[in-house]
Amino acid sequence: DAKTTQPTSMDCAEGRAANLPCNHSTISGNEYVYWYRQIHSQGPQYIIHGLKNNETNEMASLIITEDRKSSTLILPHATLRDTAVYYCIVSSVQSGGSYIPTFGRGTSLIVHP
Amino acid sequence: DGGITQSPKYLFRKEGQNVTLSCEQNLNHDAMYWYRQDPGQGLRLIYYSQIVNDFQKGDIAEGYSVSREKKESFPLTVTSAQKNPTAFYLCASSPTGRRFQPQHFGDGTRLSIL
Repeated sequence: DAKTTQPTSMDCAEGRAANLPCNHSTISGNEYVYWYRQIHSQGPQYIIHGLKNNETNEMASLIITEDRKSSTLILPHATLRDTAVYYCIVSSVQSGGSYIPTFGRGTSLIVHP
Repeated sequence: DGGITQSPKYLFRKEGQNVTLSCEQNLNHDAMYWYRQDPGQGLRLIYYSQIVNDFQKGDIAEGYSVSREKKESFPLTVTSAQKNPTAFYLCASSPTGRRFQPQHFGDGTRLSIL
């Protein structure tokens, strides 16, 4: 039961901004949006998360629309090392109160020279 | 450095054998998780544990078993009942599973059938 929709693949020129979109139209009021990325044959790496406000850290910026139905992850100056699969996740509460992220197929971002 | 260690990196299994994948963390995290990833797919949850001596089934627990006897260790056994075990297995941990906190992942174990 995927709660997010992402494009299958995108590409970006090195040094340019990479803008990765995510739709989460069924998000509820207290659910956060999280982004991870997975470089080939490694474990996923946490990038950033947000609830309502835009967020920025040393890796990326997260822009969430006012209605919270979509968001965009921005890598301001993409490098070749940013080539990875990017996962947009909305937190999912399992029975018993555990918060378990559900990873879809994500967006495969290729940064080219 | 603190982190999660998965071993071995590559593992081969004969038909009908059980194999155990190791996952150790020194982050003092309460919650630990096992995921399976098939080529071109996302991660699917096998088992998770909120605290020592407690664990719950995830979406695809059939053919797998776990234990959580120590806080830092969460081994996964792939039994002979798992008919298609070839996959990339990822272990993760988080400070607690009671509210959403970012997970830390190991670098995975790739299991193949001989």
